Amino acid sequence: DIVMTQSPDSLAVSLGERATINCKSSHGILYTSNNKNCLAWYQQKPGLPPQLLIYWASIRESGVPDRFSGSGSGTDFTLTISSLQAEDVAVYYCQQCYSTPYTFGQGTKLEIK
Amino acid sequence: QLQLQESGPGLVKPSETLSLTCTVSGASITSSNYYWAWIRQSPGKGLEWIGSIFFTGSTIYNPSLQSRVTISVDTSKKEFSLQLTSATAADTAVYYCATQYYDFLTGLKWFDPWGQGTLVTVSS
Repeated sequence: DIVMTQSPDSLAVSLGERATINCKSSHGILYTSNNKNCLAWYQQKPGLPPQLLIYWASIRESGVPDRFSGSGSGTDFTLTISSLQAEDVAVYYCQQCYSTPYTFGQGTKLEIK
Repeated sequence: QLQLQESGPGLVKPSETLSLTCTVSGASITSSNYYWAWIRQSPGKGLEWIGSIFFTGSTIYNPSLQSRVTISVDTSKKEFSLQLTSATAADTAVYYCATQYYDFLTGLKWFDPWGQGTLVTVSS
C-alpha cells in the first residue's frame, strides 16, 4: 500500500496569513503516460463529509477559491492557502489515486491563531 | 446536481452483517464517467477506502477488507449497497458513499461528491 503522511498534524495560522500543509507519499504517484501526479486534497469541516478541493495535485475543483493552491511532484506535495480566512478552519486530507488501495493522509487540523 | 444519501441501521451486533445503501440522484448511475464508492472514517483509522463498483457490476475492493466486503448495484433503483460481514467493534465508523471519478486511460481517481455519512456502531 502507498502510505500518505501529512505534516504537521495541526497548524495554527493568523487570519490573512499563509498556511502550508505537506503530504508525502511512500511511493511515487506520477503517471508517466500523462505526466500528472495522482493526488487530491480535501477539506472537511466538523459534521460534514470531505469536500474535494484539488485534483491532479494542482487543479482546483470548480468553485474553490483561488487562495487554495496545490503543488509538488513525485512523492512530495503541498497545499497552500495564501491568505487564511475564518471559513478555512477545517481538517485537510490528501489522497493518492495512483494505485489501489486508494489511501488518505491522516489529516491536518487547521485553526486560527 | 449529483447527490448521494446513505441509509441503513445505525447499530449492528458483533458478528452480524453491516448493510448500507446509497441512493444516487441528480445524475445517471449508469454513467461511464464514474464508479460508486464506499469509504469509512473512524477516529482510530482515519479515512479508509472500502471499495468501488461500476454500473456493470465490476468491483474493486480494499484487500484489507476484501474477504468480508460485498458491494452491489441496482441500476433500476439508482442504488448501490455495501455488505460487511462478521462485524466487530473495529468496524464502528462513519460510513460514506461517494462518486469516484473514472478516467478511461488511467483508472479510478478522486471522490466527489460524498454523501453526508452515516454512523454505524457495532455493539451488543
